[in-house]
Amino acid sequence: DAGVIQSPRHEVTEMGQEVTLRCKPISGHNSLFWYRQTMMRGLELLIYFNNNVPIDDSGMPEDRFSAKMPNASFSTLKIQPSEPRDSAVYFCASSLALVAGYTQYFGPGTRLTVL
Amino acid sequence: GQSLEQPSEVTAVEGAIVQINCTYQTSGFYGLSWYQQHDGGAPTFLSYNALDGLEETGRFSSFLSRSDSYGYLLLQELQMKDSASYFCAVSTPDSNYQLIWGAGTKLIIKP
Repeated sequence: DAGVIQSPRHEVTEMGQEVTLRCKPISGHNSLFWYRQTMMRGLELLIYFNNNVPIDDSGMPEDRFSAKMPNASFSTLKIQPSEPRDSAVYFCASSLALVAGYTQYFGPGTRLTVL
Repeated sequence: GQSLEQPSEVTAVEGAIVQINCTYQTSGFYGLSWYQQHDGGAPTFLSYNALDGLEETGRFSSFLSRSDSYGYLLLQELQMKDSASYFCAVSTPDSNYQLIWGAGTKLIIKP
């Protein structure tokens, strides 16, 4: 199994540009999570999907952030326009909701730097 | 509200034993999980406890007391590669398949 796949692994962009992060969950998993991690704020849940449907987006910082899951094997997190304070590592994770403990499997992350 | 508490940092010596505690306050409870994250890496699943008691997996063990809303991760024969952050996380009936996370404990191991 390839695990959760994220792209790009690193992204450097300038303030005001649009950024799109991509995630392919583990095949067969039905829950997908987007997290952001910084030294100051730790690991934050931004949004998650069950069966491709957004369940809770209360963690999305503001309207500049949006996420979609058009099918079971692909999700995107978009930031438009980006700001320096968006610099962080963004993780995507997936899980099979029926498994005890709701064990989540994380992708390697996208390290975003906004200049 | 729902919250998990764990120490922000723990220091131990190589070869020793260290315990990382986690207390939780949640509405409902299914189980307690532990994740490990090395610097520059992603969190990875270590263990899951749904029932009271100790679960052992090699050098790592995890304990749960549901009556005390408390658990811990025990690491034995510490190695330098165990230097990482350790997160506890709780699953509940109300969480809609998401986990409630602690803030993480940074484990520093000295030679």
